[in-house]
Amino acid sequence: SSELTQDPAVSAALGQTVRITCQGDSLRSSYPRWYQQRPGQAPTLVFYDKNKRPSGIPDRFSGSTSGDTASLTITGAQAEDEADYYCNSRDTSGDHWVFGGGTKVTVL
Amino acid sequence: QLVQSGAEVKKPGESLRISCQSSGYRFTSYWINWVRQRPGKGLEWIGKVDPNDSYARYNPSFQGHVIISTDKSTSTAYLRWRRLNASDTAIYYCARLDSTWPWGQGTLVSVSS
Repeated sequence: SSELTQDPAVSAALGQTVRITCQGDSLRSSYPRWYQQRPGQAPTLVFYDKNKRPSGIPDRFSGSTSGDTASLTITGAQAEDEADYYCNSRDTSGDHWVFGGGTKVTVL
Repeated sequence: QLVQSGAEVKKPGESLRISCQSSGYRFTSYWINWVRQRPGKGLEWIGKVDPNDSYARYNPSFQGHVIISTDKSTSTAYLRWRRLNASDTAIYYCARLDSTWPWGQGTLVSVSS
């Protein structure tokens, strides 16, 4: 098994860029998936694989991975982007899944 | 879609089974995962099940406390506890983590004496 580490919280002014990071050994062999969770709702996938966004997700969401660290970037953050964000990947065995602890994004 | 059973209120020591019914795709083609979210906390992977044969894999933190299974005839996955305790109070989600398929809406399980 393995762990994924995220910063607990980040904030940015409306329209500015937000960057959320996720660190873990499993990211050396597996691209992360990024989920957005608004209060009272189930998580929604916003970015996955090397550079894919599910249908309906704005292109202001982008992702990258280098070594054991992945990032989700929101370019031009909007008020509706205020939420918790979780990274997720297979663990180092490839058989189990693991989640990061989550990052609370505040748009000021 | 994945549609989960309704909220449950239980006492410590009681048993419980919650469900996740699939539609819109071939049920046996994708593993179903269960994820826990305790109040105010993050997401935790519980385990996954192969709908073809109910072969399940578990997070070691949950192994022995829950059982994951499926019923192909109804395209339904289940998460079961033999003995609940207060720390099982959480929202439980089912999900196909290896796809873009939306998660189930979540089932709130409250365990209190």
